[in-house]
Amino acid sequence: QSVLTQPPSVSGAPGQRVTISCTGSSSNIGAGYDVHWYQQLPGTAPKLLIYGNSNRPSGVPDRFSGSKSGTSASLAITGLQAEDEADYYCQSYDSSLSGPPLWVFGGGTKLTVL
Amino acid sequence: QITLKESGPTLVKPTQTLTLTCTFSGFSLSTSGVGVGWIRQPPGKALEWLALIYWDDDKRYSPSLKSRLTITKDTSKNQVVLTMTNMDPVDTATYYCAHTLALPGSYYFDYWGQGTLVTVSS
Repeated sequence: QSVLTQPPSVSGAPGQRVTISCTGSSSNIGAGYDVHWYQQLPGTAPKLLIYGNSNRPSGVPDRFSGSKSGTSASLAITGLQAEDEADYYCQSYDSSLSGPPLWVFGGGTKLTVL
Repeated sequence: QITLKESGPTLVKPTQTLTLTCTFSGFSLSTSGVGVGWIRQPPGKALEWLALIYWDDDKRYSPSLKSRLTITKDTSKNQVVLTMTNMDPVDTATYYCAHTLALPGSYYFDYWGQGTLVTVSS
């Protein structure tokens, strides 16, 4: 069971907009820690997609955007393309245990482009 | 540019110790703020953070695996080594190493290795 909760799957037709949620708690997202998103294309390593809640690394299309509010975050993809079909993971920092905060991932969401 | 590559055995037997090496280029683990972490992914399952080491030898471990993990660095060789003891079939996964920076808000992994699949079976 992942510390951050994501829907197992989402789908959308080409050109549509989809969102993927990431729900945490007061010890991670709600504690003010940033949320980051990764895209994992089939058979490849994860790739940083969004960092610091809403920032895109160089080369990531502006069709991808992120937001955060309270204990949750969201990844939005507009103008859906076939190449966006992948698994998406959110990640944050968690301080629920004694000691320094540690890295936590969501359970992942499989995006299917219909 | 920054690259990382994992290496190690593809098959280990239950109860054995796994040793994985992450060899990187494009950055130095002696540079302030730099860190290298290990993340694994069982087949068809989610990512799981395992361990991380910073430039100053600060080490962090997943609480659930802390007793089995050791992370070390060899700055001169540009390598980070992860050992995991008492391997079990449930530890079968692709193991990734990744680069991070210890800056406020920068607790993410911006560069990843290609991953190495480790199967635990007798």
